[in-house]
Amino acid sequence: DIQMTQSPSTLSASVGDRVTITCRASQSISSWLAWYQQKPGKAPKVLIYKTSSLESGVPSRFSGSGSGTEFTLTITSLQPDDFATYYCQQYSSYWTFGQGTKVEIK
Amino acid sequence: QITLKESGPTLVKPTQTLILTCTFSGFSLTTRGVRVGWIRQPPGKALEWLAVIYWDYDKRYSPSLKSRLTITKDTSKNQVVLTMTNMDPVDTASYFCVYMMRDNFADHWGQGTLVTVSS
Repeated sequence: DIQMTQSPSTLSASVGDRVTITCRASQSISSWLAWYQQKPGKAPKVLIYKTSSLESGVPSRFSGSGSGTEFTLTITSLQPDDFATYYCQQYSSYWTFGQGTKVEIK
Repeated sequence: QITLKESGPTLVKPTQTLILTCTFSGFSLTTRGVRVGWIRQPPGKALEWLAVIYWDYDKRYSPSLKSRLTITKDTSKNQVVLTMTNMDPVDTASYFCVYMMRDNFADHWGQGTLVTVSS
C-alpha cells in the first residue's frame, strides 16, 4: 500500500499569508496526486488534480507542484474562505489520502 | 448537473451488515470512463477510500477492507449499492458517494451520510 504523509497537521496563519502544505508518498506516484478542501460538516471538494491542474472555478491563488514522492499545495494569499482542512490523495495505485492539514486562524 | 445522494440506516448494531445506496443524476454509469466510488470519514479523522465500480462492471476494493465490501450498480435506477459486513463501532463514519471521470480522483461528492455503529 502507498502511504501518504502530510505536514504540518495544523497550520496557524493570518489572512494574506502565503501557506504551503507538503505531502509525501511512500513510493513514487508520478504526478497522480489530487488536493481537496473540506469545511466542517461538508463534503470535500477537489482543488487540484494531476499535481498541478487547477479545477475549474478554483481561485488561482491555489497551486500545486511536485512529482515522484514529494508534493506541495500553496496558497499565495490566504483568504477568510480558505480556513479549512486540506487533504492530498494519491491515485497511482488504488487510492490513499493523507491525514489532513487544518489551516486555522492565527 | 451532476448530483449524488447517499441513503441508508443511520444506526446499525455490531456484527450487522450495512447497506448504503448512492442515487445519482446528471450522468450514466454506462458511459465509458465513468466510475462511482465510496469514501468514508470517521468523526474528526481522515478520509478513507472503500470501493469503486466502473462503467464496465469492473470493481476495486480497499485491500484492508476487501473481505467485507461488495459494490454493485443498477444502471436502470441510476444507483450504486455498497454492502459492508460485520460492522464494528470503529466503522462509525460519514460515508460519501463520489463520481469520477477524468482521472481517478473524486470530481463530485454526495453530501454524505453518518452511520453510527452501536448496540
